[in-house]
Amino acid sequence: KAGVTQTPRYLIKTRGQQVTLSCSPISGHRSVSWYQQTPGQGLQFLFEYFSETQRNKGNFPGRFSGRQFSNSRSEMNVSTLELGDSALYLCASSSRREPYNEQFFGPGTRLTVL
Amino acid sequence: AQKVTQAQTEISVVEKEDVTLDCVYETRDTTYYLFWYKQPPSGELVFLIRRNSFDEQNEISGRYSWNFQKSTSSFNFTITASQVVDSAVYFCALDQAGTALIFGKGTTLSVSS
Repeated sequence: KAGVTQTPRYLIKTRGQQVTLSCSPISGHRSVSWYQQTPGQGLQFLFEYFSETQRNKGNFPGRFSGRQFSNSRSEMNVSTLELGDSALYLCASSSRREPYNEQFFGPGTRLTVL
Repeated sequence: AQKVTQAQTEISVVEKEDVTLDCVYETRDTTYYLFWYKQPPSGELVFLIRRNSFDEQNEISGRYSWNFQKSTSSFNFTITASQVVDSAVYFCALDQAGTALIFGKGTTLSVSS
C-alpha cells in the first residue's frame, strides 16, 4: 500500500508570492490534515479536510487555505508569502475510523521564503 | 486547555545506554489518545505507539517500552540498548476528541558510537 505522498518536496519562493502544496493520502483514507513545523513554534495544526469539507482549523491567518478533491487529494495554498512562512509542511492522512485517529504522515514539503 | 510538554530538549547517549524520553500532558477530557512519533533527519514523522486514556497497560516492543500513568499525566518512552539509528527527534502527541494532534516541542536524541 503506497504511503502519503507530498509534492513538491522542496520549494523556494520570494516574499509576496503564493504557493500551492499537494498531498495524496493513503488509498482509502478520506481525512487529510496539514501541519506546519518550524524551529520556533514546533508542529502546529493548520486544518483538516474530510470528504471535501474542512472539518477543523488551527489558529493561522486567512492567507493559509486548503481544499480537498473528490479523490481525497488535498492542496494547501499560502498567499502573500512572508519570511516566517518558511517551514516544513507535513500532510497526514487518516481513515477516521473511530475511535482511533491514527495519522500517517508524508515526507513533507520544505518551503523556503526569501 | 490541552498541552503536551517534553521538558528534555536534547539528550546525548552512547550506544547501548538506555534512555527515557519524558512526556507530560494536560487535558480536561476523560477520553483521549496519546502518541509517540519519531522524526529522522529525512523529515517524515514515523508512528511508534498509540495509547488511549483507558488503557494504562504498559508495553514492551523489542527495545522500546512505554510507561503511561494517568495519575501523573505522563507518557514516557524508553529505548533500551540504544543504537546510532535511534538518533532522531521524538515527539509526544495528544489527540482529544479526534480533532487534531497536539505535539510537544520534541526531544532530540543523539546516539554516538
